[in-house]
Amino acid sequence: DGGITQSPKYLFRKEGQNVTLSCEQNLNHDAMYWYRQDPGQGLRLIYYSQIVNDFQKGDIAEGYSVSREKKESFPLTVTSAQKNPTAFYLCASWDKYNEQFFGPGTRLTVL
Amino acid sequence: GQNIDQPTEMTATEGAIVQINCTYQTSGFNGLFWYQQHAGEAPTFLSYNVLDGLEEKGRFSSFLSRSKGYSYLLLKELQMKDSASYLCATTNDYKLSFGAGTTVTVRA
Repeated sequence: DGGITQSPKYLFRKEGQNVTLSCEQNLNHDAMYWYRQDPGQGLRLIYYSQIVNDFQKGDIAEGYSVSREKKESFPLTVTSAQKNPTAFYLCASWDKYNEQFFGPGTRLTVL
Repeated sequence: GQNIDQPTEMTATEGAIVQINCTYQTSGFNGLFWYQQHAGEAPTFLSYNVLDGLEEKGRFSSFLSRSKGYSYLLLKELQMKDSASYLCATTNDYKLSFGAGTTVTVRA
């Protein structure tokens, strides 16, 4: 079955630590995305990548970094520079013409 | 930039019809997504409109007017399980921009 996997489902981090969220897709989609969602809010775009070895900042990229070394993988690193990282993080992929598929999400809590 | 507006909340009775409006002002536009999201879960796809007009999928229909910067999602024969947040999102090439979402509550 094709789809998107994210791990872990829940993640706890101490202040000042970097943490990396995993996202893998086997849909053969060129584009991948990271969104952040806060309680009662919509989705805000952090980074997106249209093709391997290339990515663009979204609306709230500060304090985050990404890489796209393989078509299937788009990991997100939440750095210590992100002042309020506690949120629900969603990864997605898209072929530009049909449905944008979402992973199940990672809930990050800073202790 | 992108400016996308949706009502914050709507309440309707089981079996009724509800229309969720989405207006947008964008610097570039290709199409508009509608997603349903239950609390604590990932969004699930409802529709993607690229051309003007109405698209119907069972109890859910979506309409787009590109010239007016306007879309709506129509939910018919409401069921309790339709209580959720509904998100509209515009696309500009590969970039997506989401509205804040509309929380729909279905009452018995």
